[in-house]
Amino acid sequence: SQKIEQNSEALNIQEGKTATLTCNYTNYSPAYLQWYRQDPGRGPVFLLLIRENEKEKRKERLKVTFDTTLKQSLFHITASQPADSATYLCALGNTDKLIFGTGTRLQVFP
Amino acid sequence: EPEVTQTPSHQVTQMGQEVILRCVPISNHLYFYWYRQILGQKVEFLVSFYNNEISEKSEIFDDQFSVERPDGSNFTLKIRSTKLEDSAMYFCASIYYDSTDTQYFGPGTRLTVL
Repeated sequence: SQKIEQNSEALNIQEGKTATLTCNYTNYSPAYLQWYRQDPGRGPVFLLLIRENEKEKRKERLKVTFDTTLKQSLFHITASQPADSATYLCALGNTDKLIFGTGTRLQVFP
Repeated sequence: EPEVTQTPSHQVTQMGQEVILRCVPISNHLYFYWYRQILGQKVEFLVSFYNNEISEKSEIFDDQFSVERPDGSNFTLKIRSTKLEDSAMYFCASIYYDSTDTQYFGPGTRLTVL
């Protein structure tokens, strides 16, 4: 069955550093991959979408890469800030249905 | 900025009772979704809805669940006879046009089944 793993449950980094989050998947060939931010008790908020024929996407301090050979996506937040502290979810899709990973809780400390 | 809204924010019900969770998607959106998230677990797809019919549903979405778009603005999820394990956050989402577009999620309804 399809499986999506995000590298760790929690990641702690110092303000100003680059946070790198990993999303690996198996038994699936997604047409696209999305990254979301989720704060406690709130709904997911869309950050970036990358399609299977794209290698990299950037948006302000965010960068996503997508390697369909390795079946992996990396999500980078550069110059991280305490306000970036949240849970980050990767989600894969072929049709309109999204399959979510369990998320990585990022804590940025001053 | 337009947003998806959901009511109520918290619903408490007794096991075996019916509940209806309500969502108002963004007005010009065409695809609608329900997801759920059990506390501490991942977000799970329940159902997608397009052109007034279900386009895809998961194995979670059994006969106890139904969806409806009764009036062109609301999108509802009904659970006919709630079970303890239905306790979760339920999120509604919508997309404008293409199935690979950004999904805009609502703030969620926390359902507690006692």
